[in-house]
Amino acid sequence: SSELTQDPAVSVALGQTVTITCQGDSLRIYYATWYQQKPGQAPLVVIYGENSRPSGIPDRFSGSSSGNTASLTITGAQAEDEADYYCNSRDISGNRLVFGGGTKLTVV
Amino acid sequence: QVQLVQSGAEVKKPGASVKVSCKALGYTFTTHHMHWVRQAPGQGLEWMGMIDPSVGSTVYAQKFQDRVTMTREKSTNTVYMELSSLRSDDTAVFYCARDSIREAATILDFWGQGTLIGVSS
Repeated sequence: SSELTQDPAVSVALGQTVTITCQGDSLRIYYATWYQQKPGQAPLVVIYGENSRPSGIPDRFSGSSSGNTASLTITGAQAEDEADYYCNSRDISGNRLVFGGGTKLTVV
Repeated sequence: QVQLVQSGAEVKKPGASVKVSCKALGYTFTTHHMHWVRQAPGQGLEWMGMIDPSVGSTVYAQKFQDRVTMTREKSTNTVYMELSSLRSDDTAVFYCARDSIREAATILDFWGQGTLIGVSS
């Protein structure tokens, strides 16, 4: 399958921990990359590879993977983390990329 | 610094074609693949395909295979995405994005500002 499945929406209390998941057969083979997108902006990489953050991404963002599921965890969520989060990986053939449907994170 | 500068917004009629440009600045054009991503209003990100600017080879998503053409012009460090047979549900923001390979993962590390294409009669 070339699909990546995410929960459409998740909420978290300010300062608490939240995990966003992404499921797909290709994740057994390839790492997921996680993107944050705020309204009116282009997506931004927050996690890639096994669990790496680009320069400038706070260390409250972390990633993990098990079987066909990749996870993005925000430890101590802040108001500015409210955004849409997308996972992305190669499809099962390895020739194409595919995005998950996205998860809207609300910080309450 | 790396920048991807896209062409401006357009409105097209159903059945027409649109060609969006993406000019790469601040890095060696031929050393990174360029991808195109579509985002309809209020919807998620959709990968359309990619081009290797070094040789011009392309890979397209199956959904767009019959309607999309990606090309590049090395002399101006510009890639193009042309989408034909436009429908109203093609109304979207189209992004170009450069890739890098890090820790065996393909990441889209720099994005253009997006180009809004409206399709309406």
